[in-house]
Amino acid sequence: SAVISQKPSRDICQRGTSLTIQCQVDSQVTMMFWYRQQPGQSLTLIATANQGSEATYESGFVIDKFPISRPNLTFSTLTVSNMSPEDSSIYLCSASGDYYEQYFGPGTRLTVT
Amino acid sequence: DQQVKQNSPSLSVQEGRISILNCDYTNSMFDYFLWYKKYPAEGPTFLISISSIKDKNEDGRFTVFLNKSAKHLSLHIVPSQPGDSAVYFCAASEGPWRGSGTYKYIFGTGTRLKVLA
Repeated sequence: SAVISQKPSRDICQRGTSLTIQCQVDSQVTMMFWYRQQPGQSLTLIATANQGSEATYESGFVIDKFPISRPNLTFSTLTVSNMSPEDSSIYLCSASGDYYEQYFGPGTRLTVT
Repeated sequence: DQQVKQNSPSLSVQEGRISILNCDYTNSMFDYFLWYKKYPAEGPTFLISISSIKDKNEDGRFTVFLNKSAKHLSLHIVPSQPGDSAVYFCAASEGPWRGSGTYKYIFGTGTRLKVLA
């Protein structure tokens, strides 16, 4: 199974600013995924990041708000731009395992004031 | 439209007894299913998986059952332990996305399990 780390683990940010979340995987993976879990809600897929190409965003999420980079097979970043209190969530990255399972990082707890 | 549903938001079980967590889905194209456990302030931990070619998969105390005709799966934990107290999510996928070999999952709303000592 892949071991995934995220930085920062939590942050408190002011409205209108941006935060970049880093995700590091201990092995090379083709696809990485970014999810959001709003308070009391399920996990919602934001986008899928493939190395060397632009991320593919799910309905309701746009690149201007959530730009993603995937510079190599072990690393990705998600930026939450021009934040508002509604962006307060846990942001999670994941990567595929050997078969069809996915493994998650510990998450980044974001609070926007 | 919630394609994956966990209709019980919470469940309490006595230590040593069986915990049964249920998950229903609406998309008949879903063929791959995962269960996760999530503690507060941590990421989801993968527990067990099943694909539609099987109707049962076991891993230690965890067994997942799939009833494809009913679009229903369940996770059984036997025996339940206090450390199992967490939120459990099921997730479903149609299969490899765009021929990439990668699976995109839709998650259920979660069931909070409390195992009483």
